[in-house]
Order: sequence, then C-alpha cells, then structure tokens
Amino acid sequence: GENVEQHPSTLSVQEGDSAVIKCTYSDSASNYFPWYKQELGKGPQLIIDIRSNVGEKKDQRIAVTLNKTAKHFSLHITETQPEDSAVYFCAASDSSGSARQLTFGSGTQLTVLP
Amino acid sequence: DTGVSQDPRHKITKRGQNVTFRCDPISEHNRLYWYRQTLGQGPEFLTYFQNEAQLEKSRLLSDRFSAERPKGSFSTLEIQRTEQGDSAMYLCASSQRRGPSGNTIYFGEGSWLTVV
Repeated sequence: GENVEQHPSTLSVQEGDSAVIKCTYSDSASNYFPWYKQELGKGPQLIIDIRSNVGEKKDQRIAVTLNKTAKHFSLHITETQPEDSAVYFCAASDSSGSARQLTFGSGTQLTVLP
Repeated sequence: DTGVSQDPRHKITKRGQNVTFRCDPISEHNRLYWYRQTLGQGPEFLTYFQNEAQLEKSRLLSDRFSAERPKGSFSTLEIQRTEQGDSAMYLCASSQRRGPSGNTIYFGEGSWLTVV
C-alpha cells in the first residue's frame, strides 16, 4: 500500500517568513495530493490540493508543487501569519479504485512567531 | 451547506461499554468515510460507503467495530466492548463522486473517545 513520509515534524518561523513542508510517497499510482490544516481539537480542513496532471498550484499565500518522477510534493506558505500556526498534513491517494482513500503523513506542527 | 456534522463531539466511557458515533455528511455527498486519529499521528482510514453500500474496510476495523449507512445519508460507527486502545478521535468525511468538487474529501470536527 501507499506510504507517505512528511518532514519536518516541527517548524518554527518568524511572522512574515516563508514555510516549506515536504512529503514523499511510495505508490506511483497515486494521483491526488491534498494538504490539510488541523487546529487543536478540530478536524482537518482542506487548504489546497493538486492532481498529477499539474506540477504546481497556487492559492493566494499557499502553493503546492508536485514532482511525480521523484514522488515528492511540497507545501509553501509565504508571508506567514500567527493564524497559520497549526498542524499540517499531506496526503496521497489513488483514485483508480472505487474510493479516494487517503493515506496521510504524520504531520508538521507549524509555529509562526510574532 | 453546513459541512460534515459529528455527534457527540466528546465521549468518555468505561472499558467494556459500547459507544456509537453519528455522522451527517454534506448534503448530496454520496461518499462517506470514517477515519481514526490518535495524538501526534495523521488520520488512518477505517471504512468507506458509497450511498448505503459499505465498499471498503481497513484491517484496522476489528470485529468490535461496525459501521452503517442505512439510507445513504447519515452514518453510525459503533464500537462494542471498548478497550483503552480505542481511545482516539474518530473522524467522518464525505465527498461527491461527480461535480465541481471532483471527489474532494471534507472532514468533520471529529468525535473524541476516551476509554477509562
């Protein structure tokens, strides 16, 4: 099955700096890669996703890049703000079957220091 | 669109008791998922429904776990004879197979289970 590794496990940045979180996956059949933000005591909230036919996607201060050859994808947050502090999870899935079953990384605790 | 709704949000139970969680997906979403998340880990897939049919079950879903989606709308997840190792957050998610959201999966706020 799919295995997703995520680094770093913790990341501290100064407000206004950029943050980068990286993930690798093992199953070359995976073709969908979402990123979720999870605040304490809440469920994961989708912040951006990318499909394998696209190399990069951007939404305001958030961008995701995908390298299918190397089987890795990254989340980039620019101009970080204190409210960006949370745990971020990457995930991967293969939609060729009947369900889009997500395999998650172990998470990155991002702290934005004011 | 009120999002994925889960109830109860928190449950404390004694070991050996049965517990049931309810999930109401986003309206018109025909796919519903259950995941489990323990502290410091990412969510792990448990099971999946398309309409009322349970199509996939993870090996994590032991015989003490049962999920239903009787009319293809809300779903319940029951844990029988709870064990301390069942303590976790149980997340429900839903998606729509077709349409603009393109099978994007949306999660609820989760139901925290503590087994004492």
